[in-house]
This record gives sequence, structure tokens and C-alpha cells, in this order.
Amino acid sequence: GQQVMQIPQYQHVQEGEDFTTYCNSSTTLSNIQWYKQRPGGHPVFLIQLVKSGEVKKQKRLTFQFGEAKKNSSLHITATQTTDVGTYFCAGYGNKLVFGAGTILRVKS
Amino acid sequence: DAEITQSPRHKITETGRQVTLACHQTWNHNNMFWYRQDLGHGLRLIHYSYGVQDTNKGEVSDGYSVSRSNTEDLPLTLESAASSQTSVYFCASSTGHPRGEQFFGPGTRLTVL
Repeated sequence: GQQVMQIPQYQHVQEGEDFTTYCNSSTTLSNIQWYKQRPGGHPVFLIQLVKSGEVKKQKRLTFQFGEAKKNSSLHITATQTTDVGTYFCAGYGNKLVFGAGTILRVKS
Repeated sequence: DAEITQSPRHKITETGRQVTLACHQTWNHNNMFWYRQDLGHGLRLIHYSYGVQDTNKGEVSDGYSVSRSNTEDLPLTLESAASSQTSVYFCASSTGHPRGEQFFGPGTRLTVL
């Protein structure tokens, strides 16, 4: 069945450093979504990518969708303490499948 | 404002008991989903519904059931609770297109002793 792998599982960075999480699917995706979950909270939708090679930016966050529509990445420039949380990718093949998430901790 | 709510927010029960978790949304969304979240596994789909009277099994549906009698509600029932079902449960909904963004409820933390 469809699987979505996400790495790394944890990332601990100094405030101001960059952060990247990667997502790989076993099958070609129709779209990929990214969610953020703050500690103790619920997942909140960040963005959806649909087109091959698509790149979208939200302030310090850059999202990419691979040319083959099987991988994606989220890059945060100059992390801040407000960025802490778990970042999930979710790929839509025949249904939405979530990656295991990357837990981001930021040291101030 | 439209929202999605879950109740109870915390529940402790005993092995073998039947438990029902409620999910109610006022978005008027056709699609509703139940996930469980366990460390290292992310969010795993239990059941989902694309409309009234429609229900479908997800990847971890054993021991769970749902019913959809109206647009607003998708209750999740654990027929006979097991310790392996201790988890955080999230309900979500999305608009007409199943591939659209999902809106999550606040979650229910269930402990089965």
C-alpha cells in the first residue's frame, strides 16, 4: 500500500539556524499537504502542493514538490522559538497518508 | 464561527468496555475522518466518510466502527476497548473534494487500563 516516509524524526536546532524536513512517497502523488502541530495541540494545515516541481513560500517557510511528485521538503530559514512543534507531510495517492512527522525543538 | 469539536477531551476506561468518542462539525463538510496518533507513527487513518450513510475503513480499522447518520457527526466506537487502543484520537473534516485540506478537532486522549 501507499507509504509516506518522513525524515528526520527529531531535529534540535539553535535559534537562527535553518531546518529542513523531507518526505518520500512509495507512489506518485496527486498532491502533498503539510501540517504543523504545536505541543499539546492539533494538526493545522499549512499548505498544499499540486504541480510537479512546485515551490511555494510562506514567509520563512519554503515548500517544494519533486519533479516526479513522489517527494517533498519543508525548509525553515532562521528558526524561531515559535517554530517548535511537529511538522507532518501528507501525500494524496488514493487517500491521504501522513508521514510520521518531524519534531522540531529550538534552543534560544 | 464554524468549528469541529470532540468529546470527551480525556477518557479513562477499562479493558473490554465499549467506548464512543464524539465528533461534531459545523463546517457543513461532506468528508469526515478519524485518526489515531501514536509516537513514531504519525497520524493513522481509522475510518472515514464522504457523506451521510457512507463509511469506509482506513488502515487501522480493526476494533473500531463509525456511523454517519447526518452531516455534522461521525462518532467513533471502540467495541471492546483494548490497551493497544490507548492513544490520542483526532477527528477531521474537509470540504467536497476529498483531496482538500483537513480541519482537525482538538483531540481526545483515551487511556485503556
